[in-house]
Amino acid sequence: AQSVSQHNHHVILSEAASLELGCNYSYGGTVNLFWYVQYPGQHLQLLLKYFSGDPLVKGIKGFEAEFIKSKFSFNLRKPSVQWSDTAEYFCAVRETGRRALTFGSGTRLQVQP
Amino acid sequence: GEEVAQTPKHLVRGEGQKAKLYCAPIKGHSYVFWYQQVLKNEFKFLISFQNENVFDETGMPKERFSAKCLPNSPCSLEIQATKLEDSAVYFCASSLYKNTEAFFGQGTRLTVV
Repeated sequence: AQSVSQHNHHVILSEAASLELGCNYSYGGTVNLFWYVQYPGQHLQLLLKYFSGDPLVKGIKGFEAEFIKSKFSFNLRKPSVQWSDTAEYFCAVRETGRRALTFGSGTRLQVQP
Repeated sequence: GEEVAQTPKHLVRGEGQKAKLYCAPIKGHSYVFWYQQVLKNEFKFLISFQNENVFDETGMPKERFSAKCLPNSPCSLEIQATKLEDSAVYFCASSLYKNTEAFFGQGTRLTVV
């Protein structure tokens, strides 16, 4: 069965530090890839997505992610985090042919001012 | 509407009672998904609909969980005879087409006491 691994469960950074959150998936076929963010008390919001084409995708709020097919990875990056980026980040994968997403367990990011 | 609307926001039920959750997808979206989030992580897919038809119900605990999406009505997720382990946040999501991103509602927090 499809699985998604987020190895960093809790990350603490100071403002202006660079961020990289890891995401690996197990499915060998064609996939769509997503990063969602959940701010405290709010619903999931889409940060960025990869369907095909350029493996480096840019999302909202300065986030980007790189799809590396050979490594089954889709890591999220941001060059300089802000206090307002404090949230839970979820990587999600959708196998082509399915409609549902498989989520990772999430990474809690805490940015200290 | 422009948002996925879930009601109620909070629901408390005694063990053995019925719980019913509602979801109004974004207008024009054909696909609806239900996910269960336990302990602030681990999204578990429950069921998906294409319009009023069940598309994928592989995640549904069949004995006590049921769901419907009827025309001109909010979709619903019903849990008969709730158990303590059903305590979770239940998220609904909708998407326009089968291969587009899903937009999530604010969730319903179900607490079974």
